[in-house]
Amino acid sequence: AQKITQTQPGMFVQEKEAVTLDCTYDTSDQSYGLFWYKQPSSGEMIFLIYQGSYDEQNATEGRYSLNFQKARKSANLVISASQLGDSAMYFCAMRGPNRDDKIIFGKGTRLHILP
Amino acid sequence: SQTIHQWPATLVQPVGSPLSLECTVEGTSNPNLYWYRQAAGRGLQLLFYSVGIGQISSEVPQNLSASRPQDRQFILSSKKLLLSDSGFYLCAWGRVLTYGYTFGSGTRLTVV
Repeated sequence: AQKITQTQPGMFVQEKEAVTLDCTYDTSDQSYGLFWYKQPSSGEMIFLIYQGSYDEQNATEGRYSLNFQKARKSANLVISASQLGDSAMYFCAMRGPNRDDKIIFGKGTRLHILP
Repeated sequence: SQTIHQWPATLVQPVGSPLSLECTVEGTSNPNLYWYRQAAGRGLQLLFYSVGIGQISSEVPQNLSASRPQDRQFILSSKKLLLSDSGFYLCAWGRVLTYGYTFGSGTRLTVV
């Protein structure tokens, strides 16, 4: 069975500093996808970044990058130059290789950016 | 482009009353559709998913049910709400693996 673990329930970071949000996963699939979502206080779920298990390079999207360490089953999200608007809940998620596979989510990390 | 609509945004219902939350998707066909619930400050719990009209899979036995009467319509229902049904309900659709799911804006349900 697949499992996502986020061990940081909450984090406080000074504005403009880089942030690393931890995520480890467990799966028996050889092919899978890893995702990060942001949930601001409004509740909407915003897709941030995707990493495929066979992608050799770490995914990047603007200030977001995914530090993918396959052997360690780790998929940490790195936010560079944090901004006040980055304060939100962040969820790591994973999905199997088939179209009908469901995404499973971690319990999330609440990030607070301090001015 | 694809969009997903979910309503209402907020709802306050008495215990024992019925519930109907609706979700529709535009700009795509034959999407996989999902209902999630999120308790306050918690993660997302998958409630139901559907891979086609009339096809519903339940992840957690509970007081809720789901239906998919049309290809791009997904409805979450209850005949009698419980206090424990309070939460934030999110509808989502998925088709392309690399983009995961696209979520609706959610319904905040308070059962009183």
